[in-house]
Amino acid sequence: AQSVTQLDSHVSVSEGTPVLLRCNYSSSYSPSLFWYVQHPNKGLQLLLKYTSAATLVKGINGFEAEFKKSETSFHLTKPSAHMSDAAEYFCVVSDPYNTDKLIFGTGTRLQVFP
Amino acid sequence: DGGITQSPKYLFRKEGQNVTLSCEQNLNHDAMYWYRQDPGQGLRLIYYSQIVNDFQKGDIAEGYSVSREKKESFPLTVTSAQKNPTAFYLCASSPPRQGVLRGEQFFGPGTRLTVL
Repeated sequence: AQSVTQLDSHVSVSEGTPVLLRCNYSSSYSPSLFWYVQHPNKGLQLLLKYTSAATLVKGINGFEAEFKKSETSFHLTKPSAHMSDAAEYFCVVSDPYNTDKLIFGTGTRLQVFP
Repeated sequence: DGGITQSPKYLFRKEGQNVTLSCEQNLNHDAMYWYRQDPGQGLRLIYYSQIVNDFQKGDIAEGYSVSREKKESFPLTVTSAQKNPTAFYLCASSPPRQGVLRGEQFFGPGTRLTVL
């Protein structure tokens, strides 16, 4: 079965320092992978997606993620955190048996301190 | 201004009452989805529809019902059979497939349902 594991439920960083949100996936096939961000009481917004093209994917707001097949990882990074980055982040994989379905991780809450 | 709208933003219901959550999209997407979000959990799929007049159960369909009479609209009814309906409900849509891949989903702002 396909699954996604977000290794940290909470991450705290200081403004201006790097951000690393970790995600590991399990998939029998070459997956499509996504990172979404959710601000409090809002819907989800797509940050970036991997669909078997370049392994380093650049997204919005300075975020990027690298697909590493050997490590089954898709970690999200940003060189310098901003206060507005404080939110919940979800790593998501598409179900290869039913590409109409997405499988969500449990989320990582990012706190940014001034 | 294209997007997905959900109404109402906040909804209160008494136990034993059915309630319908609205979801409308003007993105011309053929697929639409309903998710439930509880604190500390990821999103769980309730129902999805790939085309008008057709829909499939997701992982937690019990106590919910949907209809898809129009491409733009995918309302969700939370029935009295749903044991713990208090949650944040998110509607999403996605564009036509590119090959076998459906691609990303676009989300509405959500409806917070509270059962009193």
